[in-house]
Amino acid sequence: GAVVSQHPSRVICKSGTSVKIECRSLDFQATTMFWYRQFPKQSLMLMATSNEGSKATYEQGVEKDKFLINHASLTLSTLTVTSAHPEDSSFYICSAKTPGEQYFGPGTRLTVT
Amino acid sequence: AQKVTQAQTEISVVEKEDVTLDCVYETRDTTYYLFWYKQPPSGELVFLIRRNSFDEQNEISGRYSWNFQKSTSSFNFTITASQVVDSAVYFCALSTYLAGKSTFGDGTTLTVKP
Repeated sequence: GAVVSQHPSRVICKSGTSVKIECRSLDFQATTMFWYRQFPKQSLMLMATSNEGSKATYEQGVEKDKFLINHASLTLSTLTVTSAHPEDSSFYICSAKTPGEQYFGPGTRLTVT
Repeated sequence: AQKVTQAQTEISVVEKEDVTLDCVYETRDTTYYLFWYKQPPSGELVFLIRRNSFDEQNEISGRYSWNFQKSTSSFNFTITASQVVDSAVYFCALSTYLAGKSTFGDGTTLTVKP
């Protein structure tokens, strides 16, 4: 089956720094990728929709200047958390969409100290 | 707007018991997908099943079975003869057919005790 990978799986960064998370579709092309965030013991919340070659669409309440999304190719989308703060510590999960199918990555656990 | 409700926050059973996790959804779309995912303590989402809105056939996969009833907007998940390894958080999700955005329920934490 189709596979979506994320890198890194875990990252610890200091407050004020930026961190980039990659999401790759390994054996298929994904015109659309989604980024979700999951706080401890909570559900997954959609942050943004990323379409290849165009600007991402952010959900209400998500700061687009803080969470930069780039979908430069049909197999790669990146999420950059800029000037990270402890409250950004969360589990970030991407998913990649093909017609009729959607596949989730394994997630990236971000800890901001 | 879409909504997924998993009324059971936590369920605790003893090994070998059967357990049903409830999922009720709301959508205005006529075509959509429903999913169940398992999230073990490691955090990775494990895909269990996808159902499209036109396929109301119930499905069985080993100890897992799913009951999709469009009339009641429910997509319930039953684990037969539960095992300790089934302990995890289970999420029900609804996805739009065209846009692909998924709305997740709040999850049900299942604990299976030996």
